[in-house]
Amino acid sequence: NAGVTQTPKFRVLKTGQSMTLLCAQDMNHEYMYWYRQDPGMGLRLIHYSVGEGTTAKGEVPDGYNVSRLKKQNFLLGLESAAPSQTSVYFCASSRTGRYNTQYFGPGTRLTVL
Amino acid sequence: GQSLEQPSEVTAVEGAIVQINCTYQTSGFYGLSWYQQHDGGAPTFLSYNGLDGLEETGRFSSFLSRSDSYGYLLLQELQMKDSASYFCAVRDRDDKIIFGKGTRLHILP
Repeated sequence: NAGVTQTPKFRVLKTGQSMTLLCAQDMNHEYMYWYRQDPGMGLRLIHYSVGEGTTAKGEVPDGYNVSRLKKQNFLLGLESAAPSQTSVYFCASSRTGRYNTQYFGPGTRLTVL
Repeated sequence: GQSLEQPSEVTAVEGAIVQINCTYQTSGFYGLSWYQQHDGGAPTFLSYNGLDGLEETGRFSSFLSRSDSYGYLLLQELQMKDSASYFCAVRDRDDKIIFGKGTRLHILP
């Protein structure tokens, strides 16, 4: 099992460019999450999904969109990147919401110039 | 609003015991979890408390008091490899999992 994988690992964007971060899990988990991590801020939830075809807003959803067309994939999109979106992005999945055991991907380091 | 409070830094000596506290305020409560994160790495799950009391997993234990909206992570027989950041997290009634800002644990030889 690969667990949770994220693509790409690193990316540099210019302000206004768009990109999509891909998260994939092979554990048949229902729940998937996108977080961003900034120094001193911990992990902040951007969007999450409780099942295929569903998405919901987290704590800091503005400037991001997500899609969960397949159970194993959760995509995070930035339509018009801004320097404030420079961060490390983590994807996570969990079997259900009842159990808080989340499995995290290795992260994507994004820099917006 | 929802919030989790934990100390930003804790320092302890190798071989000792350290406790990291977490207080929370959320809309609904469905369990408290703890995660460990080494520099440059991803968070990894350590422990979960759904009910009041103590959960023990090897050198790590976690405690929850729902009436006090309080929990702690206890690390025993500290090793240098335990130097990391530790996060508490809660699941609320909307299935959002919210993390605290993390406690950086420094271990002195």
